[in-house]
Amino acid sequence: DTGVSQDPRHKITKRGQNVTFRCDPISEHNRLYWYRQTLGQGPEFLTYFQNEAQLEKSRLLSDRFSAERPKGSFSTLEIQRTEQGDSAMYLCASSLGVGVTGYGYTFGSGTRLTVV
Amino acid sequence: DAKTTQPNSMESNEEEPVHLPCNHSTISGTDYIHWYRQLPSQGPEYVIHGLTSNVNNRMASLAIAEDRKSSTLILHRATLRDAAVYYCILRDPGRDSNYQLIWGAGTKLIIKP
Repeated sequence: DTGVSQDPRHKITKRGQNVTFRCDPISEHNRLYWYRQTLGQGPEFLTYFQNEAQLEKSRLLSDRFSAERPKGSFSTLEIQRTEQGDSAMYLCASSLGVGVTGYGYTFGSGTRLTVV
Repeated sequence: DAKTTQPNSMESNEEEPVHLPCNHSTISGTDYIHWYRQLPSQGPEYVIHGLTSNVNNRMASLAIAEDRKSSTLILHRATLRDAAVYYCILRDPGRDSNYQLIWGAGTKLIIKP
């Protein structure tokens, strides 16, 4: 297993277009998280899956955002009608579970979205 | 959730030790102290974690104050590849609601050749 993979690494889109990002977590990890990071700030939590169930969504996740994790494997994050304020790095992470105190989360390299 | 305070940036010379401080005066008894770092254009990566005792691993050492209100990440011999933003985060694994990590702005470590 090569870790958490995210695709694409970079995405430039015009305002108003829809975009979709993909995350492939570490195969044995049952928990998957999406974070958003803007320049100079730490990551901000967006949403969280345990297996295929989406258990929590941040207030940051407006109605234009939707995430899925079919069959509890890979996950997609879609942004509809993109706005310039959506420009950010979108990070995916996976973990074995909250009870694991050890290595915590493994992050992907992120997808950098630029809305022009 | 308990918060952490870190300096915005620090500079160090290559091949010298680096001590990165973190204050967490409102830490609870069950909060673990985690450190992550983020290299340029990469996602964060785990560095080390601890509860009460000092911890060592191949990447770094973590020194935790006796009252647990502060901690220090120690890089024993910094290299240029250690230039990154270092985040100090508190996490209580026993609280199921604590599935998300609360990140501050971290400390940007600059290594001078």
